[in-house]
Amino acid sequence: KAGVTQTPRYLIKTRGQQVTLSCSPISGHRSVSWYQQTPGQGLQFLFEYFSETQRNKGNFPGRFSGRQFSNSRSEMNVSTLELGDSALYLCASTLLGGTTTDTQYFGPGTRLTVL
Amino acid sequence: GESVGLHLPTLSVQEGDNSIINCAYSNSASDYFIWYKQESGKGPQFIIDIRSNMDKRQGQRVTVLLNKTVKHLSLQIAATQPGDSAVYFCAEGLHNNDMRFGAGTRLTVKP
Repeated sequence: KAGVTQTPRYLIKTRGQQVTLSCSPISGHRSVSWYQQTPGQGLQFLFEYFSETQRNKGNFPGRFSGRQFSNSRSEMNVSTLELGDSALYLCASTLLGGTTTDTQYFGPGTRLTVL
Repeated sequence: GESVGLHLPTLSVQEGDNSIINCAYSNSASDYFIWYKQESGKGPQFIIDIRSNMDKRQGQRVTVLLNKTVKHLSLQIAATQPGDSAVYFCAEGLHNNDMRFGAGTRLTVKP
């Protein structure tokens, strides 16, 4: 099976702009979770999508949003970018996700730099 | 050892030696623990997990030890190889949507 893919791999934006990141989960997986990874902070949970619905959300401002399509592919959007949004954004694909402990398979991430 | 929010500690070992990476977790109610490996330019990769009803679990060349009394988790890698060089971090919680991730420990294997 192909792994989790994320596009683009690298992105440079300026403050105030908005950005859209894409994630294609493993075939057959229905849950997609998004995480922000910054040096010294570890991974922080953004949100999880299952069957095109946001099922759970972390403690991030409303500037961070996402969606999931019928083929389970997911996108996340960050509007009005701030310098502090510079991070590695990771997508994790899980068979069912949510309150299960299914193994999460991570993509390679999108490195976002905000100037 | 690592702890959420601190600078990234490092561990340097000789090829063939055993490595021990430590993690202090924060929530005594956590029921599920995972170790991940993250190589440069890649996403985290699941290594091994353990539930709170166990204190030890073994995989291929890896062993995870859980001490709930002192909220401590460790990952032991036997016969460390150059390919083991990476950042290792632990995660604690109840389930996938309730996991807290440590910042990690950078393991460097010297040939």
